[in-house]
Amino acid sequence: NAGVMQNPRHLVRRRGQEARLRCSPMKGHSHVYWYRQLPEEGLKFMVYLQKENIIDESGMPKERFSAEFPKEGPSILRIQQVVRGDSAAYFCASYRGPSEKLLFGSGTQLSVL
Amino acid sequence: DQQVKQNSPSLSVQEGRISILNCDYTNSMFDYFLWYKKYPAEGPTFLISISSIKDKNEDGRFTVFLNKSAKHLSLHIVPSQPGDSAVYFCAASASSGGSNYKLTFGKGTLLTVNP
Repeated sequence: NAGVMQNPRHLVRRRGQEARLRCSPMKGHSHVYWYRQLPEEGLKFMVYLQKENIIDESGMPKERFSAEFPKEGPSILRIQQVVRGDSAAYFCASYRGPSEKLLFGSGTQLSVL
Repeated sequence: DQQVKQNSPSLSVQEGRISILNCDYTNSMFDYFLWYKKYPAEGPTFLISISSIKDKNEDGRFTVFLNKSAKHLSLHIVPSQPGDSAVYFCAASASSGGSNYKLTFGKGTLLTVNP
């Protein structure tokens, strides 16, 4: 079990392009969180998903950002029409269920030119 | 409004001595607190947690103390080792015992342990 896998590790996009960030949780984990870390800041909650359901998206910007966690396949964080302010490290984390520890992936560093 | 504050951006200690990292919070609804360690280009790694019903939790070299009246917690590392050099994040949740990981993080403290 390789842990929480995120790809790509680095993603470069030009302003106006789309960014797709992928997260494969640990085997057996059905809960996924996405966090964003801006430069010189702590991590900030974006969205919490369980299989096929968005549970809490209160941290997601209202426009351009969306997330999904389909029945099969990885969780996807999608950013449309990226702007320079979207440049950040995006971390995915997963856990199995109550009282289990949250495990983070190594993150995707998004750079918008 | 920063609900979790780590006022020391950096801390430097000698190997073998104690490292004390501090964290303050403002939200009275927080009832579960965690410390994470992060190396460059890696994700945060869980270190230790404490529920608001306790005032101390210990795991090996790591001890977390919680002072609810002061809304303050601290992480003690004894003895400090060079491999402990990393950024340490304090995080809090209004959760009930760890089933909710909608965490609010501080900005982190860079700990450097000198040989």
